[in-house]
Amino acid sequence: DTAVSQTPKYLVTQMGNDKSIKCEQNLGHDTMYWYKQDSKKFLKIMFSYNNKELIINETVPNRFSPKSPDKAHLNLHINSLELGDSAVYFCASSQGDRPTYEQYFGPGTRLTVT
Amino acid sequence: AQSVAQPEDQVNVAEGNPLTVKCTYSVSGNPYLFWYVQYPNRGLQFLLKYITGDNLVKGSYGFEAEFNKSQTSFHLKKPSALVSDSALYFCAVRGWYSGGGADGLTFGKGTHLIIQP
Repeated sequence: DTAVSQTPKYLVTQMGNDKSIKCEQNLGHDTMYWYKQDSKKFLKIMFSYNNKELIINETVPNRFSPKSPDKAHLNLHINSLELGDSAVYFCASSQGDRPTYEQYFGPGTRLTVT
Repeated sequence: AQSVAQPEDQVNVAEGNPLTVKCTYSVSGNPYLFWYVQYPNRGLQFLLKYITGDNLVKGSYGFEAEFNKSQTSFHLKKPSALVSDSALYFCAVRGWYSGGGADGLTFGKGTHLIIQP
């Protein structure tokens, strides 16, 4: 059983399009996250949700909108895609919203904007 | 603001030799420190963490890390390297978010570990 899963694994699209990435965790965790890994492998937090409530919203363009329909799912919708959005996006989850909890990551979604 | 430094882009070690991957951190308050490993085209896997207590933390796959408060370091170690340990290793720190709740992980830039047969 995959603990944190993401779909799709690869996403190739053109500038200006709107796309979504889905994430699901079956660990029973309360907190979920989105991270962006750029071409130099640098990882940065984008959002976190705890019990479906937005906790962290870093300086991310408002073209990016996370949605958490329930505790097990955190989706990422991106409007008007730009070339600079090309990256690998990782979903993660943790038991709760305390810094002592480790996070478990999904396999990533490689987004390529042409 | 918290930060993590991994001073080496790449570490080369012969199989069977001990390995060390260096990490230093900066954080206000108590440090919560983590090591993750990323294999090619895969997600990150949790290796170990330091929260409090014993300065030597043991983790998965025979890895351990030594927390040193005075040097603000959290180096990853393994007594005997395997070729299969070759991967990208990330050190990360976590604190409390200004708006309440935990902050996201702040990662170092990563260190490529290459184990030569």
